Amino acid sequence: DIQMTQSPSTLSASVGDRVTITCRASQSINSWLAWYQQKPGKAPKLLIYKASTLESGVPSRFSGSGSGTEFTLTISSLQPDDFATYYCQQYNSYSTFGQGSRVEIK
Amino acid sequence: EVQVVESGGGLVQPGGSLRLSCAASGFMFSGYWMTWVRQAPGKGLEWVANIKQDGSEKDYVDSVKGRFTISRDNAKNSVHLQMNSLRAEDTAVYYCARRCSSGCIDYWGQGTLVTVSS
Repeated sequence: DIQMTQSPSTLSASVGDRVTITCRASQSINSWLAWYQQKPGKAPKLLIYKASTLESGVPSRFSGSGSGTEFTLTISSLQPDDFATYYCQQYNSYSTFGQGSRVEIK
Repeated sequence: EVQVVESGGGLVQPGGSLRLSCAASGFMFSGYWMTWVRQAPGKGLEWVANIKQDGSEKDYVDSVKGRFTISRDNAKNSVHLQMNSLRAEDTAVYYCARRCSSGCIDYWGQGTLVTVSS
């Protein structure tokens, strides 16, 4: 089974900050990685797929990079609506999610 | 507009059974894999099961193999999750979702809560 490890688990940041979340796979997943945003009591929302492709309607301040085993999600300038929990997901072999990274207000 | 709506959650005793249903609309249902993902209270997301467009291929996370069965009815645009031998650790919000052609998940339902407790 492919394990996904996200870091950090919690991140404190201010509006306007550049934020980076890392996701590491236990083996190569090529570029079969997605990023989701989840707010309390709501379903996750797809932000990025195939490691770096922005889902339609998602603001351009979100970007993804990486391939193989190491991936990053970057928010270029954090906005009030971005305080949430972020999950990576590999879909190279079945599916596995990372444990989540909570972005909180500093 | 793409919509995915789950139903069937509730309180069940350990060892019991429950059948979740998911009604889809706004897209060509028979053209997509469908998936179930769950989230235990205060915890992260866990993929549970996938089913191919024609139902010929089904995948499960190890922890539910032999207990859960995913199925679909393309005539009714619906997908189901039959859950047997339920355990306390199956307690979670269960999301039904549409898989992208590559395998990501692009549309999610609002979730249905399953509580396994005596």
